[in-house]
Amino acid sequence: NAGVTQTPKFQVLKTGQSMTLQCAQDMNHEYMSWYRQDPGMGLRLIHYSVGAGITDQGEVPNGYNVSRSTTEDFPLRLLSAAPSQTSVYFCASSARGDSGNTIYFGEGSWLTVV
Amino acid sequence: AQSVTQPDIHITVSEGASLELRCNYSYGATPYLFWYVQSPGQGLQLLLKYFSGDTLVQGIKGFEAEFKRSQSSFNLRKPSVHWSDAAEYFCAVGPNSGGYQKVTFGIGTKLQVIP
Repeated sequence: NAGVTQTPKFQVLKTGQSMTLQCAQDMNHEYMSWYRQDPGMGLRLIHYSVGAGITDQGEVPNGYNVSRSTTEDFPLRLLSAAPSQTSVYFCASSARGDSGNTIYFGEGSWLTVV
Repeated sequence: AQSVTQPDIHITVSEGASLELRCNYSYGATPYLFWYVQSPGQGLQLLLKYFSGDTLVQGIKGFEAEFKRSQSSFNLRKPSVHWSDAAEYFCAVGPNSGGYQKVTFGIGTKLQVIP
């Protein structure tokens, strides 16, 4: 099984450019999330979705947009990249149901904004 | 609000030695607790989780963790560390409720294993 697939793995952007990080899962999970990982900060939730057509903000949503047109896909858009958005981004998914369901992570996307 | 503290940012152990990684959480009721491991350049993988029942939880790769309510702790242990265990370990806490869980992660403990 592919699980959670993210692309691209590495990206360098110039300040002000826009881009989309792609995320797809093949486990038919209802819940999907985007996190960013920064040294000394752990993982912080950017946006999440509880199903197709439903998204909500997490802890650090500013500068990012998401949409969920299908169960499988959950792209993250950076509208106007800033150096503060240099980070490692992880897409994740989990099944709806009882709390405590395992969160499955993609392998990460390393983004540098110069 | 829920929170997680991992007091050790970096730990070095010798191969074959025992390991304990500390995790303290803050949550108003009985939470869901997780340990994830991240190998370099990889995503996070679940090691084990606790949400009820036996307070000693067994996970993959020979790891175990013990939930101690009185100490608000969920420490991760392994009796004998292997070089392949070198990675970063994240403790996480989630609410004991239905629906989408906003899981809070600790800042991580980086484990170095020396021969």
